Amino acid sequence: KAGVTQTPRYLIKTRGQQVTLSCSPISGHRSVSWYQQTPGQGLQFLFEYFSETQRNKGNFPGRFSGRQFSNSRSEMNVSTLELGDSALYLCASRVWTSGNEQFFGPGTRLTVL
Amino acid sequence: DAKTTQPNSMESNEEEPVHLPCNHSTISGTDYIHWYRQLPSQGPEYVIHGLTSNVNNRMASLAIAEDRKSSTLILHRATLRDAAVYYCILSDNNAGNMLTFGGGTRLMVKP
Repeated sequence: KAGVTQTPRYLIKTRGQQVTLSCSPISGHRSVSWYQQTPGQGLQFLFEYFSETQRNKGNFPGRFSGRQFSNSRSEMNVSTLELGDSALYLCASRVWTSGNEQFFGPGTRLTVL
Repeated sequence: DAKTTQPNSMESNEEEPVHLPCNHSTISGTDYIHWYRQLPSQGPEYVIHGLTSNVNNRMASLAIAEDRKSSTLILHRATLRDAAVYYCILSDNNAGNMLTFGGGTRLMVKP
C-alpha cells in the first residue's frame, strides 16, 4: 500500500498570505488528523476528520481550518499567516477504531517570511 | 489529558538492548499507551501500543506495569537506524484517538 502523501513538501509564504496544504491518506483509512511541529512547542494536534466531519479539535486559533472530501483526502488552510506559523505540518491517517495506530506522512515544511 | 514523563535523552551501544522508560501516574482506565518514534527529517512512526498486557511486535516490546502507572519500551538489539526521538503517549479511548505528544526521549546509538 502507498503511504500517506502530503503536498507540497516545502512552501514559502509571506505574512498575511494564506496557504492550503493537502493530504492523501492510505487507501481505506477514513480518518485524517493534522499536527503542527515546531522546535519550541513540539508536536501539537490541530484537528481530526472522519467521514467529512471534524471530530476533534486542538487548541489553535480559527485561522487554522480544515476539511475532508468524500474520498477521505483532506486539506488544511491557514489564513493571515504569521511568522509563528512556520512549522512542519504533519498529516496522519488511520482506521476509525479506538486504539489503532496512526500513519504519518512526511510533512509539509512551511516557512513564513 | 493525562501526561507522560520521559528522560530527555538516552545512549545505547549498537546491538545491545535498550529500555526506554515512561511514567504516566495519572493514567485513566480507558487510556491506551502508545509509542511512536521520529527519525530525523521524517514524520513520526508507530512503534507499539497496549492497554494492560505486555505486547510484542517485530519492532519492539512494551512492558506495562501492573498498576499501569509506568511502561517501558524495549528494543531488543539497537541498531544505528533506531536513533530517533521516542514518544510515549496516552490516548483516551473516548477522545477519537487524538495523540498528545510530549518532549520524548532522544535515543543515541553508538557504533
